[in-house]
Amino acid sequence: KQEVTQIPAALSVPEGENLVLNCSFTDSAIYNLQWFRQDPGKGLTSLLLIQSSQREQTSGRLNASLDKSSGRSTLYIAASQPGDSATYLCAVSTDSWGKLQFGAGTQVVVTP
Amino acid sequence: GAVVSQHPSWVICKSGTSVKIECRSLDFQATTMFWYRQFPKQSLMLMATSNEGSKATYEQGVEKDKFLINHASLTLSTLTVTSAHPEDSSFYICSAIGQLSNQPQHFGDGTRLSIL
Repeated sequence: KQEVTQIPAALSVPEGENLVLNCSFTDSAIYNLQWFRQDPGKGLTSLLLIQSSQREQTSGRLNASLDKSSGRSTLYIAASQPGDSATYLCAVSTDSWGKLQFGAGTQVVVTP
Repeated sequence: GAVVSQHPSWVICKSGTSVKIECRSLDFQATTMFWYRQFPKQSLMLMATSNEGSKATYEQGVEKDKFLINHASLTLSTLTVTSAHPEDSSFYICSAIGQLSNQPQHFGDGTRLSIL
């Protein structure tokens, strides 16, 4: 059974520092991996999607890498801002229908 | 970008009431919709997968008769919590995906359900 783990569970950094969020999964047979952002009491916003054949994806200050063989993905957020404060979730797609298995998330606080 | 609308955003009702939550894809045809449940400070747990025109597929441990899912069109899926009890109180989130399953899922803003 696929298990997704995110470390750390919580992270607090001063504004301007780079953020590094880790995600690991136990079964490398995935279709893709997605990173999401969730603000308190809200739904999820898709940040990046990495297909199983890709190694990384970039969007603005965000960069996500994928090492399928070792079951790891890392989300980098450059030059963090207070507006980046949120919970970040990674999820792997485990079948062709798009079913997602989520990690527990990393709660990020960026202090001014 | 793709938008998924979920309604209502917040419901408070008495124990024994049935509550219906709607999930609509506003600008694309959602071949598949997913329903998740989220407890405070926990991650999302998939409840069921809903395909247009067919019966929903429920995850292990999810009561089909308790959580009724209808996906009547390519833009609308509904989740009905029947005879709700306090333990059903939770945050329910839907997501939708188009014909290509390797595209990002688009999530609604969630429904906070509180049963008194």
